[in-house]
Amino acid sequence: SQQGEEDPQALSIQEGENATMNCSYKTSINNLQWYRQNSGRGLVHLILIRSNEREKHSGRLRVTLDTSKKSSSLLITASRAADTASYFCATVNTGGFKTIFGAGTRLFVKA
Amino acid sequence: DAGITQSPRYKITETGRQVTLMCHQTWSHSYMFWYRQDLGHGLRLIYYSAAADITDKGEVSDGYVVSRSKTENFPLTLESATRSQTSVYFCASAGGSGNTIYFGEGSWLTVV
Repeated sequence: SQQGEEDPQALSIQEGENATMNCSYKTSINNLQWYRQNSGRGLVHLILIRSNEREKHSGRLRVTLDTSKKSSSLLITASRAADTASYFCATVNTGGFKTIFGAGTRLFVKA
Repeated sequence: DAGITQSPRYKITETGRQVTLMCHQTWSHSYMFWYRQDLGHGLRLIYYSAAADITDKGEVSDGYVVSRSKTENFPLTLESATRSQTSVYFCASAGGSGNTIYFGEGSWLTVV
């Protein structure tokens, strides 16, 4: 079974709105990362949050991590049509480097 | 800066044939990964490697073999291809444990 599970599976919003995606995982982690994938392309790293961090920002991205609930959220503020993509969370296991991805959230931003 | 490259990008093969997907990275990253991506399953880890000559199984390793004789190369072999192995295969690398992973552009494999 997969370590990270994203919710929702798909999200459709208007340009300018905020988009929130959630990720849950099952075991202890070293860090959690979010990636973006445009259709037909490889994944691109967005942001990394370590297990001892609770919140991190990068431009229009805000990531939170709650290790007690084994969950993370990715917020994209003021979304743009160009943000249309699939977003994946990935967890790195404690003490290792095995990196497991979830099934992803497909985000559609309508212009 | 070539980064990480995969070949072939597109391949059609017949059931039972052996297929090798190549992966080459120019950063001298220690860690390398192979994932497959199928609709509805996200990315599933096939094999990973911490260094040359050190490999380990991931979530879905049955039917696949890897080798890592050189740091920069991490080929994935399907010993006897099956239709269920039709997928997009992504190779990736990372400079350190838990670091950012950099992905190749993928290899589209169809087994008929």
